[in-house]
Amino acid sequence: DGGITQSPKYLFRKEGQNVTLSCEQNLNHDAMYWYRQDPGQGLRLIYYSQIVNDFQKGDIAEGYSVSREKKESFPLTVTSAQKNPTAFYLCASSIYWPNTEAFFGQGTRLTVV
Amino acid sequence: KNEVEQSPQNLTAQEGEFITINCSYSVGISALHWLQQHPGGGIVSLFMLSSGKKKHGRLIATINIQEKHSSLHITASHPRDSAVYICAVGGSQGNLIFGKGTKLSVKP
Repeated sequence: DGGITQSPKYLFRKEGQNVTLSCEQNLNHDAMYWYRQDPGQGLRLIYYSQIVNDFQKGDIAEGYSVSREKKESFPLTVTSAQKNPTAFYLCASSIYWPNTEAFFGQGTRLTVV
Repeated sequence: KNEVEQSPQNLTAQEGEFITINCSYSVGISALHWLQQHPGGGIVSLFMLSSGKKKHGRLIATINIQEKHSSLHITASHPRDSAVYICAVGGSQGNLIFGKGTKLSVKP
C-alpha cells in the first residue's frame, strides 16, 4: 500500500543533542513537507521541498535542517539550536507544488528532557 | 487575527446528532481542505474543495467563496467520529495555512 511512513512514533532526547526524524513516501510525490504541531495551535510549516535536491524554509525553520537526496525521503534534523523542540512533528507529501491534496504521516512525538 | 478561524473549538454531541463545524478564512485561496486527526496523531485528508459541495458517506463539506466560509457536516454522528477536525486553506505561496482545529467528542 502507498503511503507516508514516519519513524519513530515516540522519541526522547536529552537537551543539547541533535535528533533526526525520518519520513519516507512511496507515492511518487514530488513535494514533501514538515510541520510542527503544538497544543492549541495550528500546524506550522518548518521546511518544504518541491523536488529532489531542493528545499525551502517555511515559517519556523530556525533550529531545523533537512535534506532531499532521494524523492522518497525527506528527513528532518532537530538541532540543539532549536529552543523549544518538544512537539509533535508531521510529515506530508503531495503530487506537486503548489500542493494539491496532501497526504500525512502518523507523526513523531519528540520529547526533549 | 488568525487567517483561518474554526468554531467551535470543542464540541460534545450525543450519538446520532447532526454536527456542524465552521471555518472562516481571510486570505485568498486556491483550495480548502478538511482534515481529521485521531488521538494517535495521524492526519487523514477528508475533503479538498474549491467551490460548492462534496459528500462522502456521512460527511458533507460546503464552501462559499464569496463569504470565505466553509462548513463540515456530519450526519448521524457516531462515537468513532470523535477526533480533531482541521480546516486548512491553500495560500497564495502554495503552502497550507491551518486552523487550530475543532475537538469533537461523540458520546454513545
